[in-house]
Amino acid sequence: NAGVTQTPKFRVLKTGQSMTLLCAQDMNHEYMYWYRQDPGMGLRLIHYSVGEGTTAKGEVPDGYNVSRLKKQNFLLGLESAAPSQTSVYFCASLLGGAGTEAFFGQGTRLTVV
Amino acid sequence: EDQVTQSPEALRLQEGESSSLNCSYTVSGLRGLFWYRQDPGKGPEFLFTLYSAGEEKEKERLKATLTKKESFLHITAPKPEDSATYLCAVQAGSYGQNFVFGPGTRLSVLP
Repeated sequence: NAGVTQTPKFRVLKTGQSMTLLCAQDMNHEYMYWYRQDPGMGLRLIHYSVGEGTTAKGEVPDGYNVSRLKKQNFLLGLESAAPSQTSVYFCASLLGGAGTEAFFGQGTRLTVV
Repeated sequence: EDQVTQSPEALRLQEGESSSLNCSYTVSGLRGLFWYRQDPGKGPEFLFTLYSAGEEKEKERLKATLTKKESFLHITAPKPEDSATYLCAVQAGSYGQNFVFGPGTRLSVLP
């Protein structure tokens, strides 16, 4: 059981470039989340999904788009990267419903220069 | 708006020196309160879930408690390997879809 897998683990982008981060889970979880983590800011929610084909905005959605075409995958896109998007990105999934804990991936460290 | 704060921001303890971390929350319709441990360069790792005021959970040197407005993570006789950032999160929303984290407490246990 791999759990939650994020691809890639590291990436350096130039300002204005685009990229997609992939999150894959093999636990048949309904809910999936994308967070960013910055020093002193904790984990801030970007977008989330409560099921295949559904997405919703979180606390800091600007500059990001997401898609959940398959239940096991949740993609995070940056259309035109900015230095302010330099961060560590974490994907999480949970079974769904009250009281179910979230499982996290190992993170993607993104630097935009 | 659901909010979570944690204190202190950082804590340094000597090995064996017990202490507590605080998590205060404001949420409408708490579905669960979670504690996670995060080591540098890794994703958060689940520790405990608490559902209602008065509930307590224990695991090795850690004990989590919950009241109506806050939760405490008590660390008894800590060891250097307990050094990590401890994150608190609340789950809320009609379907439990809101998962909001606090900023964390960075714990260092010195030998």
